[in-house]
Amino acid sequence: AAGVIQSPRHLIKEKRETATLKCYPIPRHDTVYWYQQGPGQDPQFLISFYEKMQSDKGSIPDRFSAQQFSDYHSELNMSSLELGDSALYFCASGGLIGETQYFGPGTRLLVL
Amino acid sequence: AQKVTQAQTEISVVEKEDVTLDCVYETRDTTYYLFWYKQPPSGELVFLIRRNSFDEQNEISGRYSWNFQKSTSSFNFTITASQVVDSAVYFCALSEAINHAGNMLTFGGGTRLMVKP
Repeated sequence: AAGVIQSPRHLIKEKRETATLKCYPIPRHDTVYWYQQGPGQDPQFLISFYEKMQSDKGSIPDRFSAQQFSDYHSELNMSSLELGDSALYFCASGGLIGETQYFGPGTRLLVL
Repeated sequence: AQKVTQAQTEISVVEKEDVTLDCVYETRDTTYYLFWYKQPPSGELVFLIRRNSFDEQNEISGRYSWNFQKSTSSFNFTITASQVVDSAVYFCALSEAINHAGNMLTFGGGTRLMVKP
């Protein structure tokens, strides 16, 4: 069965640089979620999209933005990167309310 | 606001022992959903089970079983006859039925399970 695809899997950036993370949801899933997991921490919700519109917003820094495109893939844009942005970034996709969110393999971002 | 607590940060057992991972949640909603995810050392988050607030029936899947008790706001996870491959961090998570467009997951802090041979 098709799973959530994330790219790149690993990314190394310098401070103040920009990064773009991509997510391709499971076919026919109309909701995409982004989570950030710092070392030794639980995943924290950043933002979600339903039918290409932002549906919910969590603790996402103003330096980050995201969107969902017409083909339902989503991109998380991160600017002015800081050391503290080093984390594992997950994308998940799902259907309607309460349905299971299936996670991609994650993008491991390291900011030097 | 919703909250999930996993009081056990780390558990160590010997292979073939049974182990129970505790999860306690808080929510103001009468409709909500509970999940367990497994995060092995490779890092991915693997879905294990979903339960809605109206279904208190316990579930068994192979060596895994789950006990949902609304009276104590708990959703505990038991692994029977643990194996080394069960070593991972296990997260309990909650989503509330607030809007029509799907809802964020609130995770507990996770329990690191180490199964020794």
